[in-house]
Amino acid sequence: QVQLLESGGGVVQPGTSLRLSCAASGFTFKSYGMHWVRQAPGKGLEWVAVIWYDGSDKYYADSVKGRFSISRDNPKNTLFLQMNNVRAEDTAAYYCAREDTWHFDLWGRGTLVTVSS
Amino acid sequence: QSALTQPRSVSESPGQSVTISCTGTSSDVGGHNYVSWFQQHPGRAPKLMIYDVTKRPSGVPDRFSGSKSGNTASLTISGLQAEDEAEYYCCSYAGSNTWVFGRGTKLTVL
Repeated sequence: QVQLLESGGGVVQPGTSLRLSCAASGFTFKSYGMHWVRQAPGKGLEWVAVIWYDGSDKYYADSVKGRFSISRDNPKNTLFLQMNNVRAEDTAAYYCAREDTWHFDLWGRGTLVTVSS
Repeated sequence: QSALTQPRSVSESPGQSVTISCTGTSSDVGGHNYVSWFQQHPGRAPKLMIYDVTKRPSGVPDRFSGSKSGNTASLTISGLQAEDEAEYYCCSYAGSNTWVFGRGTKLTVL
């Protein structure tokens, strides 16, 4: 079954760190660029980061640049998002998404991150 | 990386047609034919409805269509059905390996 499954969300304090994971199955993970997209409660979607299929290139939204890091483990079919120095405005559901030539054709169900003291 | 502009809400009766606009700039919508549209029901993940401005993924009804003129893309849904009631988001490649979403439009089927 082709799917993405995020995990690692939870409640964290401002200034701390958290690592999200996204387990891929049912397709050749190493052939696709992968993204993180987030959605604050009651708000719209916001693109966060992309990593090339082989991990050779990574790009970030200005809002997370320098604090978040995207990575992947192709042999383990897993995508990661390391979130450092988190802020209240990082509170959101975080989705991983597969890219198929410039569009996102497969999404996970999301994992909720709440940043609160 | 400013969000694309969409109307906050639209409404129409079952069986009718509705068009949702998505306005960006020459750096995103106007500069690339990589506009996509997503449908999101409450508590669910987004679902791809249109990609590359006009293309429909397998399984998406042909009642959904996309177009673009200049810096504005549009999603048209014809023969509205109750299950089409959802939030709709546009998304565009914005160059320099970045993407940008619209703020979302809530579609109400009256």
